Amino acid sequence: AQSVTQLDSHVSVSEGTPVLLRCNYSSSYSPSLFWYVQHPNKGLQLLLKYTSAATLVKGINGFEAEFKKSETSFHLTKPSAHMSDAAEYFCVVSDFQGAQKLVFGQGTRLTINP
Amino acid sequence: KAGVTQTPRYLIKTRGQQVTLSCSPISGHRSVSWYQQTPGQGLQFLFEYFSETQRNKGNFPGRFSGRQFSNSRSEMNVSTLELGDSALYLCASRQTDTQYFGPGTRLTVL
Repeated sequence: AQSVTQLDSHVSVSEGTPVLLRCNYSSSYSPSLFWYVQHPNKGLQLLLKYTSAATLVKGINGFEAEFKKSETSFHLTKPSAHMSDAAEYFCVVSDFQGAQKLVFGQGTRLTINP
Repeated sequence: KAGVTQTPRYLIKTRGQQVTLSCSPISGHRSVSWYQQTPGQGLQFLFEYFSETQRNKGNFPGRFSGRQFSNSRSEMNVSTLELGDSALYLCASRQTDTQYFGPGTRLTVL
């Protein structure tokens, strides 16, 4: 069975400084991995996805994530935080065996200080 | 293309009532999944439908049910509502391995 652990429930950074949101996963299969973002009172927006084509994945709004199989990690980074990045971020693992079920981490709340 | 739409956006019900939520997927997407989001349990998978057939089901009681129509639109129904059913219900439509989410329906059970 798949599982995801987001190592920080809350991360706070200053505007213009780097962002690092940490995620470890467990999967019996070759996983698909995703990061989604949720702004207050909104649905989930896809930031990026990994599906074994390349270990460094670039997403929207300057975010990127690196898949490290040896460490079973898929950390999300951004070089310079912007106030609009304040939101909840979810690391997600999926296996696709005919039907698809997403397994979500508990989320990391990102706060940006001016 | 228009995104995933969900109606209604907000709903208030009382214990014991039933509720039906609706989801229209992105045009051309044939798979629809439903998720429940609560502060305590986070995001949990309810079920997935593909071409009007339930393909996968999460660990929820039988009070939670769904269906999909020939135009891929989906509904989920919760009968005999409990206080603990208060949540944001999210629908997602899938293309290959990627799911795209709607804005959700906020259900409050009083």
